[in-house]
Order: sequence, then C-alpha cells, then structure tokens
Amino acid sequence: QKEVEQDPGPLSVPEGAIVSLNCTYSNSAFQYFMWYRQYSRKGPELLMYTYSSGNKEDGRFTAQVDKSSKYISLFIRDSQPSDSATYLCAMSDGSNYQLIWGAGTKLIIKP
Amino acid sequence: DARVTQTPRHKVTEMGQEVTMRCQPILGHNTVFWYRQTMMQGLELLAYFRNRAPLDDSGMPKDRFSAEMPDATLATLKIQPSEPRDSAVYFCASGLVLAEGTGELFFGEGSRLTVL
Repeated sequence: QKEVEQDPGPLSVPEGAIVSLNCTYSNSAFQYFMWYRQYSRKGPELLMYTYSSGNKEDGRFTAQVDKSSKYISLFIRDSQPSDSATYLCAMSDGSNYQLIWGAGTKLIIKP
Repeated sequence: DARVTQTPRHKVTEMGQEVTMRCQPILGHNTVFWYRQTMMQGLELLAYFRNRAPLDDSGMPKDRFSAEMPDATLATLKIQPSEPRDSAVYFCASGLVLAEGTGELFFGEGSRLTVL
C-alpha cells in the first residue's frame, strides 16, 4: 500500500460544476499538505498549501484537511475549461525536505 | 520572472549512450530536487541537494545515474549507460526550504528523454 493514495481518473465534468479531488494517506505524522497543478507537458506548480487540519480558501479553490480521517480534498467551484489539468497532492511530516506525492488525478472540464 | 531552466527539453538517444541533463535553479533557492515522472510510477524523487550538498540520492540507480551540483547555478543529472527503461520526463525543482523542512517547490518544464 502506498503512503498516499490518489485516484488517477480521468475525472470529466461539465463547465461550471463543482469539482472534488481527494487523497488519502497512512502516515499520521504528515503535517504539511499541498496541491500542485500540472498542465500537459509542463512542470507542476503549487496551487494550495495547508498546515495541519482545517480549510483554506483561495478564489475558486478550497483545500480541506481532515487529519483524523487522514483525508485531504481540493474543491474547485465554477470549474472552467482552463482548470483541465492533472492535480497532484503532496505531503510532508516536516522532518526533512522530501514530499510524498500522490499519483495525480487527471481532470477534464468540458465546455 | 524567476524560473527553473532545464536543458535539453527533448532528447532521443540510443541505448548505451550517455545522457546529461542540466538545471539552473532559481537564484537564492537553497534546495534542488531531481524527479522522474512516468505514467506508471508518477513522480519519483531521484536526488536532492541542500546548499549544494547532496542529502539523499537513494532513489537513483547508482550504477548508472549520478547527480551533481558543481555550483549554485547548475545542477546536473547524468545517465551512463542509458537504457530504454530510463525513458521518462525528468524534472528539476528548486525551493527555499524553511527550517521545518517545507517550502514551495518551483519546477522546470522538464527534460523528455526517449531511449531507443
């Protein structure tokens, strides 16, 4: 079993829908949780960064961490075709400089 | 606009040939990572450096891969000899990693390697 599990998709939704992307993890020591977005043939870029539990909102994006369930989510409201990309979760326990990555979920927003 | 620069963007080579990939991290960043990405394995950490010192290269096949950081503006990843299973996209990322071990990573656009 991998430390971080993420459904690779693809997830296809119509424009304007609310999108929910999720990761589960097994290491209770993880404290730092990130979502990276990767467009085709590009490198990943940081989208959201959360420390410990709780919610964080940035425009149409909300990151949610539930440490008791070892479950993190990324919500995208009013999804746009430009949101079509692969979304990777990553997390760290803060003890070193390594991130543990999910496999990435490919998201397709249909116009 | 500061960014991580990787060369070459694309490389096609034959099995057994040496391949060198180069990375210019963002000025001022103290940590540099080399990742490999494939459809099957996703993002795999190969090696990383902090303040140019190698911290971990346990993800690399040591018999054929080597990573160095000769100065603060250049990181290299070398494969010798290359094999078809090395075909992947290789990413360099740099970041200003904070004392507690976290920080945003900035990725280059990757070097797409095909070994025939």
